Formats: sequence, C-alpha cells, structure tokens
Amino acid sequence: ELKVEQNPLFLSMQEGKNYTIYCNYSTTSDRLYWYRQDPGKSLESLFVLLSNGAVKQEGRLMASLDTKARLSTLHITAAVHDLSATYFCAVDNTDKLIFGTGTRLQVFP
Amino acid sequence: ETGVTQTPRHLVMGMTNKKSLKCEQHLGHNAMYWYKQSAKKPLELMFVYNFKEQTENNSVPSRFSPECPNSSHLFLHLHTLQPEDSALYLCASSQDRLAPEQFFGPGTRLTVL
Repeated sequence: ELKVEQNPLFLSMQEGKNYTIYCNYSTTSDRLYWYRQDPGKSLESLFVLLSNGAVKQEGRLMASLDTKARLSTLHITAAVHDLSATYFCAVDNTDKLIFGTGTRLQVFP
Repeated sequence: ETGVTQTPRHLVMGMTNKKSLKCEQHLGHNAMYWYKQSAKKPLELMFVYNFKEQTENNSVPSRFSPECPNSSHLFLHLHTLQPEDSALYLCASSQDRLAPEQFFGPGTRLTVL
C-alpha cells in the first residue's frame, strides 16, 4: 500500500527566510503533484512533476522530484505572508492520487 | 461559471436526513472524483467516474451513494449518516482517468448532528 509522508506537518517561518518541505513516498511512482489549500478553500494545483529529475518553479516556490529516492521537495525562497497556507503533495498510484497529510505553513513578519 | 462548482457550500443535517451534494464541471473533462477531507487526516478518495462509468469505489459505506448522469455532473447522495462523516467533501475533475492533473471544486462543509 502506497504511503505518502510530509514533513514538517507545521512550519512557522519568518518573512524573508528560506525553507524546504519534504514529501516521501513508499512505492515506485513517477508522477507527483503539489497543491495549495487556503483555509476554508479548495485545493489549487501548484506543480505537476512527471519524471525523475523534474524541477519546476513558480515565483518563490520551486518543486523537484527524485523518483529513485522517492522524494519530492517544495522549496520556499524569501517567504512572504501570502504564502501562508497548507501544502499537500500527492503521488499517482495506478491512476489514483494518494495525498500526504499536508504541511501547514505560517509566515510571520 | 467556470471550473468546478459545488453546492451547497455548507450543509448541516441530522442522522436521519437524506440530502445530496452536487458537483458540476465546466472544463469539458471526462473524469470526476469525490474526496473526503477530515481534520488531521489525508485527503481520501471515495469514488471515481470515467466517462460516466464508476471505476473506483474506495470501500465507502453504502450510506454514501454517488450518481453521475453525464460527464459534467456528479452527485453524492447521503442518508443515515453518522457524526464521524462530518468533513469537507471535495469534487474534482480531470481530462480523463489517466490525465495527470485534477482540478478541485470549493468543497461542501458537511456537519452531521
């Protein structure tokens, strides 16, 4: 059974700082997704990573995928308050998405 | 309207009630999904429909009954629910079952008393 683990589960960081969220998964997959969810809102697609070594960047966020290590990272550069949200990774397992528990990010001045 | 819409956005019901959640997608997609999001638990896939055919039932109790009359609409019929069924129910769609990206609706916040 595929398991997806994220860490940390909660992250409080100061504006302007850098940090990385990790997503580990337990079985082979070469498709991984990152989503953002604001409180009371739905999930917004951030990145779709479809191959080993894939790297995508959008603004202050950069996501990468290492299928051999079964690891994806979401790197935050120079955090701003607007990035405060919960971030989920999801791994494609035989056409079914398995989600991590989410990382709740809080950025303070 | 664009994207994926869900109604109602909030629902409070007693354990003996019958209610339905509605999802509509305006993206021309052929696959639709129901997910359950409970506090402090990962998002759980409940049902999948691909070209109106149910392709996945993730061991969901029979008190949840999905219906997909066409590729644009998806319903979740609820009856004799339990308090532990209180959660955010999210609908999503994708081009088809094999498409890499799913687009989510705003969700229905369900409270069962």
